[in-house]
Amino acid sequence: ELKVEQNPLFLSMQEGKNYTIYCNYSTTSDRLYWYRQDPGKSLESLFVLLSNGAVKQEGRLMASLDTKARLSTLHITAAVHDLSATYFCASSSGGTSYGKLTFGQGTILTVHP
Amino acid sequence: DVKVTQSSRYLVKRTGEKVFLECVQDMDHENMFWYRQDPGLGLRLIYFSYDVKMKEKGDIPEGYSVSREKKERFSLILESASTNQTSMYLCASSPALGGSPLHFGNGTRLTVT
Repeated sequence: ELKVEQNPLFLSMQEGKNYTIYCNYSTTSDRLYWYRQDPGKSLESLFVLLSNGAVKQEGRLMASLDTKARLSTLHITAAVHDLSATYFCASSSGGTSYGKLTFGQGTILTVHP
Repeated sequence: DVKVTQSSRYLVKRTGEKVFLECVQDMDHENMFWYRQDPGLGLRLIYFSYDVKMKEKGDIPEGYSVSREKKERFSLILESASTNQTSMYLCASSPALGGSPLHFGNGTRLTVT
C-alpha cells in the first residue's frame, strides 16, 4: 500500500526567507505531483514530476524528485505573502492504477511580513 | 480549460438520509475520482471509475457507493448518512493517458447532523 508523508505539516515563514517542504513515499513510484490549495478553494496542479532527477520551477517554487530515495522536495525561494496556502504532494504507483493518486497530509504554509 | 463541476457547494443533511453528490466534467476524461478531505488527513480516495459503468473501490469505500452511467458524470451516494461522513468531498477527473494531473472540482462541504 502506497503511503505518502509530508513534513513539516505547518510552516510559518518570514517574507524573503527560503524553506523546503519534504515529501516521502513508501513504495516504488515514477510519478509525483504537487498541488496548491487556497482557503475555501479547490486544488490547483503545480508540478508533475515523471522521472528520477526531474526538476521543475515556476516563479519562487522549485520541485524535484529522487526516486531512489523516494523523496520529493518543494523549495520556496524568497517567500512572499501570496504563497500562503496549503501544499499537497501526491504519488501514483503507475501501471494500471488508472491515475489514482495517494496524497500526503498537506503542509499549511503561512508567510508573514 | 478543464472544468469539473460539483452540483452543490454546501449541503446539510440529517443522519440516515440518502445523499447524492453529483460531478460533471467537460473534457471527455476517462478517469473520475471521489476524494474526501479532512484536516490533518489530506485527501483520501473513496471510489474511482476508469470507464462508463466501471468502478473501483478506493481506500475508504465503506458507507459509500458510486454511479457512472455517462462518461461525463460521476455520482457519489451516501446510502444512510452518518455524522462521521461530515467532510469536504472533492471530485476529480483525468485522461486515460498516465502522467496527467487530476483536475479537481470546487468541492462540496457536507454536514450531517
